[in-house]
Amino acid sequence: NAGVTQTPKFRILKIGQSMTLQCTQDMNHNYMYWYRQDPGMGLKLIYYSVGAGITDKGEVPNGYNVSRSTTEDFPLRLELAAPSQTSVYFCASRRQEKLFFGSGTQLSVL
Amino acid sequence: AQRVTQPEKLLSVFKGAPVELKCNYSYSGSPELFWYVQYSRQRLQLLLRHISRESIKGFTADLNKGETSFHLKKPFAQEEDSAMYYCALSSGTYKYIFGTGTRLKVLA
Repeated sequence: NAGVTQTPKFRILKIGQSMTLQCTQDMNHNYMYWYRQDPGMGLKLIYYSVGAGITDKGEVPNGYNVSRSTTEDFPLRLELAAPSQTSVYFCASRRQEKLFFGSGTQLSVL
Repeated sequence: AQRVTQPEKLLSVFKGAPVELKCNYSYSGSPELFWYVQYSRQRLQLLLRHISRESIKGFTADLNKGETSFHLKKPFAQEEDSAMYYCALSSGTYKYIFGTGTRLKVLA
């Protein structure tokens, strides 16, 4: 079991560029989440999904999009990168109230 | 509004000293509370949850509904306890709310 796998680990974007953060899990969990963590702040929920084909907004969804075509994959899309999106992004899946986290993606937008 | 507050950004204690990491929450219903930990170069992982009433790595946490607190305690800190600790609340709507975290440093 690889658990929750996030790619890439690091990325630098220019303002206005777009990119997709990949997240995949091999535990057959229905619930998946995307969080961002800014320095000195807690984890903020961007989007979540309760199963394939179902997604919903979290606290800070602006500037992001997600899709959930399969149980395994939950990619996060940034369409027009802005400096405010510089952060560490965590993907997680959930089973029985326990969250399983990926190793994170450190994104800088310059 | 639902909120989790961890008032200390950094807590330094000496090895063998007691540790208490504070967590207060704001929630109108019956929450589920958790402590997550991130050791250096490792993933964020569940340490314990209040509903289990268990002790993990010597840590315990008791939910105090009157004081809306879920403080994490350990009687004798070890150097390997140094990590970032996050308190989290589940509101029962599949969402989790995290505090800002407390960095625990255990000094030799």
